[in-house]
Amino acid sequence: GDSVTQMEGPVTLSEEAFLTINCTYTATGYPSLFWYVQYPGEGLQLLLKATKADDKGSNKGFEATYRKETTSFHLEKGSVQVSDSAVYFCALRLVGGTSYGKLTFGQGTILTVHP
Amino acid sequence: DTAVSQTPKYLVTQMGNDKSIKCEQNLGHDTMYWYKQDSKKFLKIMFSYNNKELIINETVPNRFSPKSPDKAHLNLHINSLELGDSAVYFCASSRGLAGLETQYFGPGTRLLVL
Repeated sequence: GDSVTQMEGPVTLSEEAFLTINCTYTATGYPSLFWYVQYPGEGLQLLLKATKADDKGSNKGFEATYRKETTSFHLEKGSVQVSDSAVYFCALRLVGGTSYGKLTFGQGTILTVHP
Repeated sequence: DTAVSQTPKYLVTQMGNDKSIKCEQNLGHDTMYWYKQDSKKFLKIMFSYNNKELIINETVPNRFSPKSPDKAHLNLHINSLELGDSAVYFCASSRGLAGLETQYFGPGTRLLVL
């Protein structure tokens, strides 16, 4: 079946540090890939997405590149802020087939940024 | 205006009770979803509806019954609540079923069963 694996958390960084959260996937078809962010006490917000191989999604200083050869979609940010503290979810959604558009999520990575 | 809204935001109830959670989207989307987030933050789809028709039912116990009175609403009714039903339930919507479409999430309903 389809699955998404994220690096184990929690991740704790100092402000202005470099962030990488690893994400790999297995899919029976051709997926679109997403990063969602969940701030404390809130719902999920789409952070960025990529729909085909070698696409780079970017938003708010975060970036992720769709790597088909390594089935990965790692999230990076060059300089994190305290306000980036949240839970980050990698997810895939198959294009076509019988998945009917459902999102398959990774287990989430808790990020805490200290001043 | 809130794009995807859920009520109530918090729900505390006793085992064995029946409760409902409502979801509304004002985005004009055709497809709506219910996801469950457990205490370890793991998210899993429960149901999806497209144009009021049930599309996905991910082996959810039949105590859970979704109802879509129109395309803008997807409600979740839960019978005979159990301790294991305690979770955060998220509603989401998208323009359609295609894999390229972005899903927009509501703020969640935090259910605690005592």
